[in-house]
Formats: sequence, structure tokens, C-alpha cells
Amino acid sequence: DAKTTQPTSMDCAEGRAANLPCNHSTISGNEYVYWYRQIHSQGPQYIIHGLKNNETNEMASLIITEDRKSSTLILPHATLRDTAVYYCIVRGSQGNLIFGKGTKLSVKP
Amino acid sequence: DVKVTQSSRYLVKRTGEKVFLECVQDMDHENMFWYRQDPGLGLRLIYFSYDVKMKEKGDIPEGYSVSREKKERFSLILESASTNQTSMYLCASSFIGLQGNDEQFFGPGTRLTVL
Repeated sequence: DAKTTQPTSMDCAEGRAANLPCNHSTISGNEYVYWYRQIHSQGPQYIIHGLKNNETNEMASLIITEDRKSSTLILPHATLRDTAVYYCIVRGSQGNLIFGKGTKLSVKP
Repeated sequence: DVKVTQSSRYLVKRTGEKVFLECVQDMDHENMFWYRQDPGLGLRLIYFSYDVKMKEKGDIPEGYSVSREKKERFSLILESASTNQTSMYLCASSFIGLQGNDEQFFGPGTRLTVL
């Protein structure tokens, strides 16, 4: 079973920041938080991952709370092409990815 | 850019047929994976492989087998296709990462329909 809880769906206005929350209250000390997204009719795409520090790359920022029980993926300036299902996944260094149902993000003009 | 390719985007087969789904990656990745994706159930891991000729069962291996004769190629085999194997099949690959730093790269998927 997935170890994360995400809202089923969210809307965001084009050009605004999209903040996608994820709860992972049972995360253990050596488990990472990964984010993937899946645009309709394509395979999932890696976005970002982190352990305990906040992370940023060219696609997004990942904010992990100090107790590591939740995190937020931030798309700073959402575009229509960011409409997708976003998956938050917790796994250890040797474990496999377990995809839950994700959050369906709709970016609207 | 890492490329993971799958032999077909769409495939239609009949019940009882033997089906081969092929996946090829061009980045010398050690790890390769096969998932299936169904509405309401998300992605589920069928089989994975950490090296040539090695294979490990995932969460739902029943009715499937795999073959990894070369590092770049990972095949999923349905020995006798059944209608409940109608699904989207996704292949992925990754390096053996240190400290969890091993993002998976996915192919475009094969939508298999078994009649």
C-alpha cells in the first residue's frame, strides 16, 4: 500500500504557484520523498526527491516539514502543460516505488 | 536524454495468445521495471530486474513472466493472455543509485487489449 495521502484533485490558475500537499506520517528516517507526475497518455515523469532538506530544481521545489510527516511540491508558475496527475511516493534506498492515486492538478486559463 | 522505448503503443490480442511486450533503454541502466496501470488502482509493479538474467517478482506477478538477456532489454511475457490482463503496461529503468538517488525513467506505455 502507498504510504502517502494526497488530495484527489486541485485546481490552479495559470501563472500562479501550485502547491500540492502530501502527508506521510509513518515515514521512517531513511526513507525519501519522491514526486512524479503523469500527463495524460504518457508514462510518469520524475520531478524531484528529498530526504529532509528542502530541494529545488528547474521544475519544482520540495518543502519537507521538520518532523518529515508531510511535504509540499511547489510549481512556482503553473502553465497549462502542468495539468497532470502528481504522485507523492515514500521509499527507502532499496525499496521500489509504490504509486498511490495521486492528485489530479488542473491548471486553468 | 534518457530514452526508454516500448515496442508498441497499442496492441490487440485474443484470449489464450502468447504476448511479448518489449522494452529497450539506451542509458546503460542496471534496473528495469514493468508496471501495469488500471483506472482506480494506480500503477502496480509486476516484475523488476537488477541485472542481466536476474528477475524479482513485484506485487502482481501472477500470469506474467519476464526475460532479461541483455542489459538494455527487458521483456514482459503473457504466456496465455486473458481479458483481465487488458491494461496499460509501463516499462521503466534506473541506475542503481546510492542513498535513494535513482529516479526511474518511464517509457510511453503500451495499451494492451485482450479480446
